[in-house]
Amino acid sequence: AQSVAQPEDQVNVAEGNPLTVKCTYSVSGNPYLFWYVQYPNRGLQFLLKYITGDNLVKGSYGFEAEFNKSQTSFHLKKPSALVSDSALYFCAVREVNSGYSTLTFGKGTMLLVSP
Amino acid sequence: DAGVIQSPRHEVTEMGQEVTLRCKPISGHNSLFWYRQTMMRGLELLIYFNNNVPIDDSGMPEDRFSAKMPNASFSTLKIQPSEPRDSAVYFCASTRTDGNTIYFGEGSWLTVV
Repeated sequence: AQSVAQPEDQVNVAEGNPLTVKCTYSVSGNPYLFWYVQYPNRGLQFLLKYITGDNLVKGSYGFEAEFNKSQTSFHLKKPSALVSDSALYFCAVREVNSGYSTLTFGKGTMLLVSP
Repeated sequence: DAGVIQSPRHEVTEMGQEVTLRCKPISGHNSLFWYRQTMMRGLELLIYFNNNVPIDDSGMPEDRFSAKMPNASFSTLKIQPSEPRDSAVYFCASTRTDGNTIYFGEGSWLTVV
């Protein structure tokens, strides 16, 4: 079985400061890892993914995430937060070669960036 | 590409009424998912189709819920009869079987009163 944990319900950061949204995962084999963002009253939008290769993945809107196999983590980061980054962020995992395309999502972390 | 298209975007209905939610996946995608999002439970996978065939419906909450995919470009999620606890946002999503990124629609916001 695969699972994702997002330990923080909410992250508060001031505009211009770096931000980190935490994610840890559990799969039997190797993972595919994803971050999605949901703005108010909208669907989930794909931000970035780790499939293979470089552990540091760069995505949309200046976000990046680092895959750490030993710590089974995939934390989302951005060097300088914007107020417009305020949204709900979901981490998701799929096991490589699981045969299915389904993703397992975390419960989400609300990011609030203050001016 | 138009993305995943869902309808209706918003629906308010009375308890006991039938609700049908519709989804058109991205052209060329052969895997389709229905998710439900609530404050209490977060994002839950209800059912997953591959090549129009239901692969995993273990997330469907009860017999009042049913889903169909009659062809590669259309799917429905039906609730009959609806109950207030069904109030939620229902998302449809699609991907290629060999693809990794799942793309979501804008959601159908259901309120059952």
